[in-house]
Amino acid sequence: DAKTTQPPSMDCAEGRAANLPCNHSTISGNEYVYWYRQIHSQGPQYIIHGLKNNETNEMASLIITEDRKSSTLILPHATLRDTAVYYCIVNRNAGGTSYGKLTFGQGTILTVHP
Amino acid sequence: DGGITQSPKYLFRKEGQNVTLSCEQNLNHDAMYWYRQDPGQGLRLIYYSQIVNDFQKGDIAEGYSVSREKKESFPLTVTSAQKNPTAFYLCASKPATGYEQYFGPGTRLTVT
Repeated sequence: DAKTTQPPSMDCAEGRAANLPCNHSTISGNEYVYWYRQIHSQGPQYIIHGLKNNETNEMASLIITEDRKSSTLILPHATLRDTAVYYCIVNRNAGGTSYGKLTFGQGTILTVHP
Repeated sequence: DGGITQSPKYLFRKEGQNVTLSCEQNLNHDAMYWYRQDPGQGLRLIYYSQIVNDFQKGDIAEGYSVSREKKESFPLTVTSAQKNPTAFYLCASKPATGYEQYFGPGTRLTVT
């Protein structure tokens, strides 16, 4: 699975959009980009995933560049409860009968300020 | 409510003792996983199981053992052979055809 690079920390004002970048320059054609987050001392929570196209759900939007070497997770209106560690993960086993192994890096600590 | 249960939340053991961490899910998921997390670090995969009575080693399986006798249960034993067992242990599950892993609340193990 491809390696990812994320900034160690970011700040965001409450109510503003949080844009979290991720580089995955060695991603291959059948690898998906996943985002999870982990609030302190809890289990990680799935946010969103994508392959080529931009994706949006009730939690966030995922923008993947055309060459797929980087992506950005967007939390459109950050709240204090969005303060967490955000992990960008590249995985070739998106579903089907795969075992779905995820490789977590150190992630980005997002702090949302009042 | 459907979900993943890990117990206990905090566990303390003396060095040299084996300890078993519980993980139960009522989501009817086929795959289950155990991860370890050290302070300030990401998660590392210990073991995973795709179906009952089958499991595979992850990246850091040494000093750990698992069993998968029932679909809903995937206990992890931390043996005395594990050199640095103090950590936060997370269990997860995933449906066979799904994309999302569902995580339990974790067990924080302290060995002194």
